[in-house]
Amino acid sequence: AQRVTQPEKLLSVFKGAPVELKCNYSYSGSPELFWYVQYSRQRLQLLLRHISRESIKGFTADLNKGETSFHLKKPFAQEEDSAMYYCALSGSARQLTFGSGTQLTVLP
Amino acid sequence: GAVVSQHPSRVICKSGTSVKIECRSLDFQATTMFWYRQFPKQSLMLMATSNEGSKATYEQGVEKDKFLINHASLTLSTLTVTSAHPEDSSFYICSARNPPRTAYNEQFFGPGTRLTVL
Repeated sequence: AQRVTQPEKLLSVFKGAPVELKCNYSYSGSPELFWYVQYSRQRLQLLLRHISRESIKGFTADLNKGETSFHLKKPFAQEEDSAMYYCALSGSARQLTFGSGTQLTVLP
Repeated sequence: GAVVSQHPSRVICKSGTSVKIECRSLDFQATTMFWYRQFPKQSLMLMATSNEGSKATYEQGVEKDKFLINHASLTLSTLTVTSAHPEDSSFYICSARNPPRTAYNEQFFGPGTRLTVL
């Protein structure tokens, strides 16, 4: 079975402060990990994937297999980063299992 | 590119009626589409995997006779909620996977359909 845990439902930070959204997973094989974002009144969209090791909108996430984590980080949060963030895992069946999501609010 | 649409965006129906929701991939062919359900302030729960030309694969606990899925073409999957009841009220989201030019395992999501059963 595959499971994704996002321990924080709500997270508030001030503009310019660093932000870290936590994600832990459980999967017996080699997973693909993703972060999806949903801005207010918009559809879910891919933010980044661990395979490509990219930085999107200043966000990065590193897969730590030892800690089974895939935390999302940004050194300087912006107000436009306020959104709902979902961590997701894809296993051998290539289906996505989503975490419960973290609502990030960046305060001015 | 890789746009997924859903229709309708909102639907209100009476208890006992059936409701059909369409999911279309507008600019690519999708052999696999997924249907999710999202309750308020909760995560997306996968209901079923829709494969073009074959039967859908339902997740445990999802009634296949209640949530009928048809994926008759490479650009269209439909979800029909049969004999809807108030507890079926929810936000239904579809996604399509892997346009041909996409190298990675990625899903593109529709905007969702808000179903309210009175």
